[in-house]
Amino acid sequence: GAVVSQHPSWVICKSGTSVKIECRSLDFQATTMFWYRQFPKQSLMLMATSNEGSKATYEQGVEKDKFLINHASLTLSTLTVTSAHPEDSSFYICSARDRRQGVLFFGYTFGSGTRLTVV
Amino acid sequence: KQEVTQIPAALSVPEGENLVLNCSFTDSAIYNLQWFRQDPGKGLTSLLLIQSSQREQTSGRLNASLDKSSGRSTLYIAASQPGDSATYLCAVSNFGNEKLTFGTGTRLTIIP
Repeated sequence: GAVVSQHPSWVICKSGTSVKIECRSLDFQATTMFWYRQFPKQSLMLMATSNEGSKATYEQGVEKDKFLINHASLTLSTLTVTSAHPEDSSFYICSARDRRQGVLFFGYTFGSGTRLTVV
Repeated sequence: KQEVTQIPAALSVPEGENLVLNCSFTDSAIYNLQWFRQDPGKGLTSLLLIQSSQREQTSGRLNASLDKSSGRSTLYIAASQPGDSATYLCAVSNFGNEKLTFGTGTRLTIIP
């Protein structure tokens, strides 16, 4: 089945530094990947849609200069949290859509998530 | 704007009981609905995917139903086990939009 690998699983960084999170589709090509943010005991909130070879589409209220997304290949998307601050501490999850089984298959596969703590 | 709600927010049941989790959505023009499981501090595991043309899907002890006209889906778990304890999330995608809209989740605890 479709597998999405996300690294690192957790990271602690100092305020003001930048952190990069990687999301890889291991056994399929993902032209579109999605980045979510999840606060404790809350549901997932979509931050942005990452499209291979083009600019990401950000949801309303998400700062694109703070959350840089790069989708340079069909199997890799990265999220960089720039100049991180304590309020950026959260659980970040990526997902990708596997289109291999045709248009009727529209399932999403999720990475294991990254716990970011900014101190 | 699609809104997805899950009731109850938390549920505790003794081991062995059957249970039902509910999901409702406001815009019935969905492409499909997916149920996920999330363990604490982990990512999401897909459980069942129901296309808009389907009424139910089954996998082992899990059965998900979809009533698109009323904007509802249920996840039925038979013979619950302690390992079923997790947060269950439903999510819908709408036609013309690849985005998933997630529900608020139900935190399930199975008591041994």
